[in-house]
Amino acid sequence: EAGVAQSPRYKIIEKRQSVAFWCNPISGHATLYWYQQILGQGPKLLIQFQNNGVVDDSQLPKDRFSAERLKGVDSTLKIQPAKLEDSAVYLCASLGLAAQYFGPGTRLTVL
Amino acid sequence: SQQGEEDPQALSIQEGENATMNCSYKTSINNLQWYRQNSGRGLVHLILIRSNEREKHSGRLRVTLDTSKKSSSLLITASRAADTASYFCATVSSYGKLTFGQGTILTVHP
Repeated sequence: EAGVAQSPRYKIIEKRQSVAFWCNPISGHATLYWYQQILGQGPKLLIQFQNNGVVDDSQLPKDRFSAERLKGVDSTLKIQPAKLEDSAVYLCASLGLAAQYFGPGTRLTVL
Repeated sequence: SQQGEEDPQALSIQEGENATMNCSYKTSINNLQWYRQNSGRGLVHLILIRSNEREKHSGRLRVTLDTSKKSSSLLITASRAADTASYFCATVSSYGKLTFGQGTILTVHP
């Protein structure tokens, strides 16, 4: 069974630029999550999708972050414009029977 | 906000020793999960314990849950160098939201 795929693995941008991350969850998993993990901390939930609908986006900084899952499968997370404090690993996960399955993450560095 | 708080923040042991990590949380939970993260990688689910369970085993892992004290512990027995990683507890609310703690960095010296 293929795992959760994410791309790119690494991204370096300058502040005020835009960036987008892509996630392909495990086939058949209806629930998809985006997390932000700052160095030395645990992952923080940004947004949760059930199929193509948003379940929880209470911690998503909506002035600069946006996410979509148009066909209920792949998802993209966008940051526009990026700030220095957005430097982090962005993790995508999909929900199996009882546990979440995580992708390898995208490490974003904002200079 | 972070729900689970792990302690210690870092743990360094010799191969063969046991490693114990603790997690405390604040609100009621549906279940509690432990995850492992190797450097530069995503998280891997280790074990889930439901709110009505007190202890669970999986291989060299033993998890306990005390809902009256709102705490859980993860014990790794006979540790190996390959167990070196960060370990996170995550509480799961009744509506399925996962909230992670800060994690414990475990280093097992060969």
